[in-house]
Amino acid sequence: AQKVTQAQTEISVVEKEDVTLDCVYETRDTTYYLFWYKQPPSGELVFLIRRNSFDEQNEISGRYSWNFQKSTSSFNFTITASQVVDSAVYFCALRKMGTGRRALTFGSGTRLQVQP
Amino acid sequence: GAGVSQSPSNKVTEKGKDVELRCDPISGHTALYWYRQSLGQGLEFLIYFQGNSAPDKSGLPSDRFSAERTGGSVSTLTIQRTQQEDSAVYLCASSLGQARRVEAFFGQGTRLTVV
Repeated sequence: AQKVTQAQTEISVVEKEDVTLDCVYETRDTTYYLFWYKQPPSGELVFLIRRNSFDEQNEISGRYSWNFQKSTSSFNFTITASQVVDSAVYFCALRKMGTGRRALTFGSGTRLQVQP
Repeated sequence: GAGVSQSPSNKVTEKGKDVELRCDPISGHTALYWYRQSLGQGLEFLIYFQGNSAPDKSGLPSDRFSAERTGGSVSTLTIQRTQQEDSAVYLCASSLGQARRVEAFFGQGTRLTVV
């Protein structure tokens, strides 16, 4: 069975602070994908990043960076110099690679509030 | 179209009535998902279609829920004899369904309210 845990239900920061959203996952699969999605107040889920289980290289995209550590089954997301527009619910998700069940398993989400 | 399109955006129905929710995936995407998001909750998987393969229906909560995908494109999620606990946002997503191109892109959702 697969499970994704986002222990932080809600985080509030002041603009320009750095913030890290935690994601811990459980899976018996040896190969899998990890994802982060953003859900702004408008409601639409926006894809941010996909990571393959065999690629532990960290990734940076502008103010966003992701730290994937297979040894601790974590895929954390850091926003540097947060902005009000970053306010949203962020979901981490997991999916098996290859054949078999293709459903994405989502965490319960972390609501990020960035105060001006 | 450019993105996943869902209709209607909002649906209010009386308890006991049947409803149909429609999803138009991104053109060329062979994989299609339905998820449900209850107020303030996470995303609950409902069903997955991939090309001509048998759908993965493992997430459907009861036999009142069914879905079909005609011609490998448009999908319809049907809820029969709606109950108040069916009230939620129903999200559809599609993906290319190919290795290394598996990210799913979501529509805006249909907000279903059962009164």
